[in-house]
Amino acid sequence: EVQLVESGGGLIQPGGSLRVSCAASGFTVRSSYMSWVRQAPGKGLEWVSVIYSGGSTFYADSVKGRFTISRDNSENTLSLQMNSLRADDTAVYYCARAGYSSTYAFDMWGQGTMVTVSS
Amino acid sequence: QSVLTQPPSVSGAPGQRVTISCTGSSSNIGAGYDVQWYQQLPGTAPKLIVHGNSNRPSGVPDRFSASRSGTSASLAINGLQAEDEADYYCQSYDSGLSGPVFGGGTQLTVL
Repeated sequence: EVQLVESGGGLIQPGGSLRVSCAASGFTVRSSYMSWVRQAPGKGLEWVSVIYSGGSTFYADSVKGRFTISRDNSENTLSLQMNSLRADDTAVYYCARAGYSSTYAFDMWGQGTMVTVSS
Repeated sequence: QSVLTQPPSVSGAPGQRVTISCTGSSSNIGAGYDVQWYQQLPGTAPKLIVHGNSNRPSGVPDRFSASRSGTSASLAINGLQAEDEADYYCQSYDSGLSGPVFGGGTQLTVL
């Protein structure tokens, strides 16, 4: 079955660090354009970061310098290392695959993992 | 403030047609970048229902159609059904921001 499963969310204090992961099955992460998209409680969708099949990475201005996207080809997983977390980083974090020969048409999503930044 | 502007809510009776607009600018939709549409049912992840401006993935009913013109795009849903009640998001790429952007979302209520 083709699917994405996120893990690693939780409650973290402001200024802290957290790593969320996304396990893929049914396709290879290294051959895909993979993104992280987040959704704050009661709010809309916000793109966070992408890693291209070639390894290039890009970030939204709101997380640049604080978040790092990576993948583990042997484990077929995608990760997002989040440092210097702030209250406005509180959100459900989704990993998403781009399909249809597009960089940003997200044809597959995980179920999401909740990250809460609060003291 | 979202880069792409959608109405916060729309509604319609079962069987009716509704449309959801998505207004952008010359740095995104107006620049020719593709528009996607997503449906998000309560408590679930978004689902892609239109890609490349007007293409439906396999399994999406043909009651859903979309188009792009100038700096705007729109999603139409014909023959509304109770199961269509969800949030809908448009998405494109913005050259000024160098990344994908989403609309603020439109809540569809089936009366």
